[in-house]
Amino acid sequence: GQQLNQSPQSMFIQEGEDVSMNCTSSSIFNTWLWYKQDPGEGPVLLIALYKAGELTSNGRLTAQFGITRKDSFLNISASIPSDVGIYFCAGQLNFGNEKLTFGTGTRLTIIP
Amino acid sequence: GAGVSQSPSNKVTEKGKDVELRCDPISGHTALYWYRQRLGQGLEFLIYFQGNSAPDKSGLPSDRFSAERTGESVSTLTIQRTQQEDSAVYLCASSLVFGVNYNEQFFGPGTRLTVL
Repeated sequence: GQQLNQSPQSMFIQEGEDVSMNCTSSSIFNTWLWYKQDPGEGPVLLIALYKAGELTSNGRLTAQFGITRKDSFLNISASIPSDVGIYFCAGQLNFGNEKLTFGTGTRLTIIP
Repeated sequence: GAGVSQSPSNKVTEKGKDVELRCDPISGHTALYWYRQRLGQGLEFLIYFQGNSAPDKSGLPSDRFSAERTGESVSTLTIQRTQQEDSAVYLCASSLVFGVNYNEQFFGPGTRLTVL
């Protein structure tokens, strides 16, 4: 099935550093979402974006819904050990169709 | 527990055998979804249910895959004549309502299927 293009594929950073990852699509989405997945667990929603251009924060996390509706980014400031995991973007194509299309994931590792 | 539960957590089977994967959604959630996650990949949509009906089955990879939901609660994903390419984690999610705006999907821990 279709997957969104997400980059980078992996990141190795030191604690305290800021992180940025992004997601692009050839299709327009009406909703963009960012999830985090820990090993052996299902994804957990971090941020949901509903309007083109919208910038939303959740603690140290900030995400934006691109103006073209074809992209989104997620920033994490001042990373901490519990930020380790895999981050996925996801898009919902149309209102009334709950099917989500996921990105390929960004694996975040914090170097001690 | 209040979350989505799935069973079994792990399933190892031989090629050609049938398997059934179970999902118990959060009580009261009318919508239920199945996704597949291959190793190192994102989630791929398989099917969703609104109540006991499945308006969108477009993600099912082949006719070996089927799913049903009963009592607007438990759902079963069945894979017949399993192939090695079916090896993946199968994730279930549920949400409160359907339509209008995005309704958060809450995911279970998944069933890891290994086909030998």
